[in-house]
Amino acid sequence: QVQLQESGPGLVKPSETLSLTCTVSGDSITSNYWTWIRQSPGKGLEWIGNIFYSGSTNYQPSLESRVTISVDTSKSQFSLKVTSVTAADTAVYYCARQRFGGSYYFDHWGQGTLVTVSS
Amino acid sequence: DIQMTQSPSSLSASVGDRVTITCRASQSITTYLTWYQQKPGKAPKVLIYAASRLQSGVPSRFSGSGSGTDFTLTISSLQPEDFATYYCQQSYNARTFGQGTKVEIK
Repeated sequence: QVQLQESGPGLVKPSETLSLTCTVSGDSITSNYWTWIRQSPGKGLEWIGNIFYSGSTNYQPSLESRVTISVDTSKSQFSLKVTSVTAADTAVYYCARQRFGGSYYFDHWGQGTLVTVSS
Repeated sequence: DIQMTQSPSSLSASVGDRVTITCRASQSITTYLTWYQQKPGKAPKVLIYAASRLQSGVPSRFSGSGSGTDFTLTISSLQPEDFATYYCQQSYNARTFGQGTKVEIK
């Protein structure tokens, strides 16, 4: 079955860069778009962006200046970087698989990883 | 940006009740609408996509309807495992989620 697993530091200092990786198993990373979503008490669920195996990306306009999503097909991984983080970036970060069937939806998710921005 | 507004924010219901949750988009999204269920400490789970298509493995008591700006998720007979938070999500332009509707036990 399809499984996604987030990994990365749980604590990041303000103004530094948040880096997370998602490892995909049970599906080829060369199929579908792969997505990062975060969830915080203050802002609810927020789509960050997605990537295709070719490297084509789409980002949330409000985050685009600080976000980079990349893919490593040899490792079946895709990654997220958010620069210049503040407390507002504290959230549970999820990676997910995007599908299309008349709308775009996220049918498989990682378990989520809590990232706290604090000094 | 397309804003998604759910109502109510929370509701109390009993097992066996019919429950309806509404989601309104700030502009037309045709049927680019998905519904999710989320339980505490877990990732969201897709229930309905393309406004009315039932995801494989989801019980038939869940149904979705609507197009344009107004959408509805209906649970025909609430079961104990249905107490959770429900979110709508548009994918017409970028991706945006509603703020959620928490379904609690009455």
